[in-house]
Amino acid sequence: AQSVTQLDSQVPVFEEAPVELRCNYSSSVSVYLFWYVQYPNQGLQLLLKYLSGSTLVKGINGFEAEFNKSQTSFHLRKPSVHISDTAEYFCAAFTGGGNKLTFGTGTQLKVEL
Amino acid sequence: DAEITQSPRHKITETGRQVTLACHQTWNHNNMFWYRQDLGHGLRLIHYSYGVHDTNKGEVSDGYSVSRSNTEDLPLTLESAASSQTSVYFCASSDGGFNQPQHFGDGTRLSIL
Repeated sequence: AQSVTQLDSQVPVFEEAPVELRCNYSSSVSVYLFWYVQYPNQGLQLLLKYLSGSTLVKGINGFEAEFNKSQTSFHLRKPSVHISDTAEYFCAAFTGGGNKLTFGTGTQLKVEL
Repeated sequence: DAEITQSPRHKITETGRQVTLACHQTWNHNNMFWYRQDLGHGLRLIHYSYGVHDTNKGEVSDGYSVSRSNTEDLPLTLESAASSQTSVYFCASSDGGFNQPQHFGDGTRLSIL
């Protein structure tokens, strides 16, 4: 069964600094990967997705992620964060032939002045 | 704009009562999903539907039921509410299976006393 690990439960960072949120998945067979963002009292919104093709995926709000099959990772990065990026970020994976999307436990990104 | 609406946004009820959470989408998506979000668990799949009259159990389906009588709605029913079902519930929809991005509602915070 697929599992998704987000090792960092909280990541504090200063505004305009770069950030990386880590995500590792367990199974590489026909894997589809997603990053979602959740602002307080709202549902999840899609940031970016990897379905196939280029391993570097660009998303909304200046975020990008790189699919690394050998390290089974899909880390999320942004070169310069803004206060408005403060939110919880979820990595999710689907393995072909399965019947669910597996979510990580989330990383709370807190951007400080 | 298309959207997915959940109601109520907040509900408090007592153990043993039947509770129904509503989910309505105007995306015209065939696929709809119900998740619960708990601290330390991320999102876990309760039930899902691939179309009218189709329903399937997810990983945490015990104590919950759904029915799909039209494309737009997938209500979630707790047959006899238990304190362990206190959670935040999210409905989602997509125009593909689990390998496609999902659109989420803003959630229902349910407290069972």
